[in-house]
Amino acid sequence: DAKTTQPPSMDCAEGRAANLPCNHSTISGNEYVYWYRQIHSQGPQYIIHGLKNNETNEMASLIITEDRKSSTLILPHATLRDTAVYYCIVRPYSGAGSYQLTFGKGTKLSVIP
Amino acid sequence: NAGVTQTPKFQVLKTGQSMTLQCAQDMNHNSMYWYRQDPGMGLRLIYYSASEGTTDKGEVPNGYNVSRLNKREFSLRLESAAPSQTSVYFCASSEPYGYTFGSGTRLTVV
Repeated sequence: DAKTTQPPSMDCAEGRAANLPCNHSTISGNEYVYWYRQIHSQGPQYIIHGLKNNETNEMASLIITEDRKSSTLILPHATLRDTAVYYCIVRPYSGAGSYQLTFGKGTKLSVIP
Repeated sequence: NAGVTQTPKFQVLKTGQSMTLQCAQDMNHNSMYWYRQDPGMGLRLIYYSASEGTTDKGEVPNGYNVSRLNKREFSLRLESAAPSQTSVYFCASSEPYGYTFGSGTRLTVV
């Protein structure tokens, strides 16, 4: 059973911020939130991960609620190349459970010109 | 720096034939994985190798075998291919921060 819930699809205007929500209400204390994306039929690409603090890198920002039951991935200025399926995944950072990266169906983000 | 390299990229098999999918990584990662992705679905874990010399079953291991040849290489073998194994196969390697995936092998079993 998937540990996360994401909307099946979203649209975003090019140049605007894309905000992708994820619900993970059963997350455990040792589980991190990871985001990956899959462009067309390529292999998934790592985007960002976090435990409880907000995180930012060159690709995106990750906002995790204080109770850690949900998070939002933010692409600050979406481009057409950001059109992809985005996967939100929770898993432990290390140990036996870290080897099971469970993909749900993700959110299909379409960036509109 | 090639990352994760998979061969072949495309393959058509007849039912009952066997084949081995090859995967190699050059990032010195300890862990390696094989996933399959069916149309419109997320990836499902077939087998993984937490470190050199170990392999474990994932969610959908039936019909497959794996070999962790060394730290760099992790192969997936289909002994007797079935149409249900038509899929895109992805190999990956990881460190705790995240996974790096190959570009996939598109396998059709007729």
